[in-house]
Amino acid sequence: EVQLVQSGAEMKKPGESLKISCEGSGYNFPTYWIAWVRLMPGKGLEWMGIIFPDDSDTRYSPSFQGHVTISADKSINTAYLQWSGLLASDSAVYYCARSYSSGWDTPIFDFWGQGTLVTVSS
Amino acid sequence: DIQMTQSPSSLSASVGDTVTITCRASQSLATYLNWYQQKPGKAPQLLIYGTFTLQSGVPSRFSGSGSGTHFTLTIRSLQAEDFATYYCQQSHSSPPTFGQGTNVEMK
Repeated sequence: EVQLVQSGAEMKKPGESLKISCEGSGYNFPTYWIAWVRLMPGKGLEWMGIIFPDDSDTRYSPSFQGHVTISADKSINTAYLQWSGLLASDSAVYYCARSYSSGWDTPIFDFWGQGTLVTVSS
Repeated sequence: DIQMTQSPSSLSASVGDTVTITCRASQSLATYLNWYQQKPGKAPQLLIYGTFTLQSGVPSRFSGSGSGTHFTLTIRSLQAEDFATYYCQQSHSSPPTFGQGTNVEMK
């Protein structure tokens, strides 16, 4: 059974750093693209970027480039999303999602993690 | 970026109804259009990809149609478990973009 299990909810202050994780199981993790998607209340879903764990080829949405870093460790089947300086506006639910499409730019998200709630407040 | 516009943003329906949700794209997608269902507190689930193809395990009461810039998701004989938010997503051009969502609530 394919599963993506994300790390738990986080409460941080503005300016702090954070790294959340997404562990895959039940499939050949390195060979599927993993994306990160943000859900903000009233704003719907936003694609942040995507990584191919086998070679760490990473692409970012222009809206998020420079503010977040996506990485992966294929030896432990885990992808990461990190911030070096959180903003209050980063408060949202973050999902990882597997794309079964072979192309990074034509993703179809067939399995999703359960979501990680990030709250940034002073 | 390709803009995706869903309508309506919300609708009220009863069990047994047929519901149609529309998704319009700011430029042609051919048939690179996918639909997701999300229930409160849960992750989105893929329903339909490539405009028409049902993901494995999705009931046949769900169907998709369209091409170019106009797409529809139809749910026939709405069931209690179908009350949720539905999103379209284009996979034609990077960055992939989603519609703002349609909340299907119980009348």
